[in-house]
Amino acid sequence: DAGITQSPRHKVTETGTPVTLRCHQTENHRYMYWYRQDPGHGLRLIHYSYGVKDTDKGEVSDGYSVSRSKTEDFLLTLESATSSQTSVYFCATGLAGNEQFFGPGTRLTVL
Amino acid sequence: GENVEQHPSTLSVQEGDSAVIKCTYSDSASNYFPWYKQELGKGPQLIIDIRSNVGEKKDQRIAVTLNKTAKHFSLHITETQPEDSAVYFCAASSGASNTGKLIFGQGTTLQVKP
Repeated sequence: DAGITQSPRHKVTETGTPVTLRCHQTENHRYMYWYRQDPGHGLRLIHYSYGVKDTDKGEVSDGYSVSRSKTEDFLLTLESATSSQTSVYFCATGLAGNEQFFGPGTRLTVL
Repeated sequence: GENVEQHPSTLSVQEGDSAVIKCTYSDSASNYFPWYKQELGKGPQLIIDIRSNVGEKKDQRIAVTLNKTAKHFSLHITETQPEDSAVYFCAASSGASNTGKLIFGQGTTLQVKP
């Protein structure tokens, strides 16, 4: 995961504010993913990208949007943060064939 | 919908003993099954994976077995060490192969007691 960074690593925000999380990779991987991790739920896919400007929804996409304007960057936006979006967010990248490699995570708290 | 069930949720073993974690999946089209280890405060790390054309794969003290007929796969850790203590996740590929999507199990917290 040395080639995947996430920023910020920690964030506290208030309900109703917009929040953007950034994932940056130096691996030149085609695929990028955003997950959230909550106790008892494992990792759940929010959105993913299969190329620049090509994105699609995962299983828990409501309240989230993404953008990918460059191969190396994948942004996750919470348009109006809610307390239910308090979680740890992980970015992952992958090549064809399903192998995925994870970043260090962002801990988000929505008050 | 597609689902991966993982058991047990917690597992405690003595150092040197073996540990086994089991997963079942629902999508008969799944053909890739990775296992991840997550240490406290870090992102999950891929430790071993298996594809549907193989029944078993080993890497030193870690092995994974796959039974496609029964739709279950297992992680086996032999000669456990305290540094094996972590949360382990199984996953199964989902949807079209060109998406690379994975469905994850709920995780198993493994504690290896010295």
